[in-house]
Amino acid sequence: EDKVVQSPLSLVVHEGDTVTLNCSYEVTNFRSLLWYKQEKKAPTFLFMLTSSGIEKKSGRLSSILDKKELFSILNITATQTGDSAIYLCAVVGPSGTYKYIFGTGTRLKVLA
Amino acid sequence: NAGVTQTPKFQVLKTGQSMTLQCAQDMNHEYMSWYRQDPGMGLRLIHYSVGAGITDQGEVPNGYNVSRSTTEDFPLRLLSAAPSQTSVYFCASSYSQGSRQFFGPGTRLTVL
Repeated sequence: EDKVVQSPLSLVVHEGDTVTLNCSYEVTNFRSLLWYKQEKKAPTFLFMLTSSGIEKKSGRLSSILDKKELFSILNITATQTGDSAIYLCAVVGPSGTYKYIFGTGTRLKVLA
Repeated sequence: NAGVTQTPKFQVLKTGQSMTLQCAQDMNHEYMSWYRQDPGMGLRLIHYSVGAGITDQGEVPNGYNVSRSTTEDFPLRLLSAAPSQTSVYFCASSYSQGSRQFFGPGTRLTVL
């Protein structure tokens, strides 16, 4: 059965800390992996990763994929209170289906 | 561009009642899906559509119906509401299989 596992489930840090969120997967015919940030409402897109070893970066956020070890990490440096959210990882299912398998998310709280 | 819109934002039903959650997108996306989000469970796929007239079941389809008569609209019908259907419902669309999904703002449904 396809599955996506995120860790830790929750995390509390102080402003300025660096955090690393993990996403491991077992999905048949992997195509890509996506990261989303969810504050009080709809998930918003952060990154899409398809190739192993290539870092995607946007400001203080970065992500990398390891297709051999079947995981991805999302790094946030110099955290701010506005980074407090649930971070969701999703893996795209096999070609010919329209299925995104989501992890349960990591709840990040950044304290001032 | 409104993106993905959902109505209503909140709804309270009694057990046994039926209702339709509305979803519309103005990005001309062929691919649309419905998810429910429960605490600790991540996003679970209910139904999806790969184009007008084509729908299929996701992970948790029981108790829900969908139809897709136009590219823009993808309503979700609850046939006979049950307390187990209390959840937050998200509609999403994407340009292609495997590309990033755009999410609506969600509908918070409570079934008493």
